[in-house]
Amino acid sequence: TQLLEQSPQFLSIQEGENLTVYCNSSSVFSSLQWYRQEPGEGPVLLVTVVTGGEVKKLKRLTFQFGDARKDSSLHITAAQPGDTGLYLCAGEGVGSQGNLIFGKGTKLSVKP
Amino acid sequence: DTGVSQDPRHKITKRGQNVTFRCDPISEHNRLYWYRQTLGQGPEFLTYFQNEAQLEKSRLLSDRFSAERPKGSFSTLEIQRTEQGDSAMYLCASSLDSWGSTDTQYFGPGTRLTVL
Repeated sequence: TQLLEQSPQFLSIQEGENLTVYCNSSSVFSSLQWYRQEPGEGPVLLVTVVTGGEVKKLKRLTFQFGDARKDSSLHITAAQPGDTGLYLCAGEGVGSQGNLIFGKGTKLSVKP
Repeated sequence: DTGVSQDPRHKITKRGQNVTFRCDPISEHNRLYWYRQTLGQGPEFLTYFQNEAQLEKSRLLSDRFSAERPKGSFSTLEIQRTEQGDSAMYLCASSLDSWGSTDTQYFGPGTRLTVL
């Protein structure tokens, strides 16, 4: 069974601080996606990473896919209160039919 | 393109009743997925369709659950004889399966089911 472990589960920081969220597995994934979810809403796609070692930047967010395609990280620079939400990583297994395996999420709170 | 839509957004029902949810995917997307999310957890895969064909079902999908996608457009998820353990957010996602590219899934806002 493929599992994705996210850490930390909860993160409460002050505006302007930097943070990193980790997503780890013992399994290889053909792609990995990061989503952000607000309470009572569906997940909103932030980025998809496909190639081992790939780094993608989205404004103050930097996403990295591990060389072995088993792990990923999300780094936020100078966090703002608008970054508050649940961050989910989701992997597509090698040879899967496309269904995603999700981590439990990291609940981020950025205080002004 | 208005994104993935789901109806209703909220449903409260009594134990033992049947409920049906609808999902309208992004119009050109040929794949449609159903997930379930309980409090404090990430979404868990239930089933998926390629056009009108249901190609995979999770072990989470008991006999009380059935999903359809007639004509390969919208989909419905029905739960019969609901139980309190069915209370969750039911999420629908769609994607465009095209050869050689990654299957990126776009989620709807979800249907929050509460079984009393």
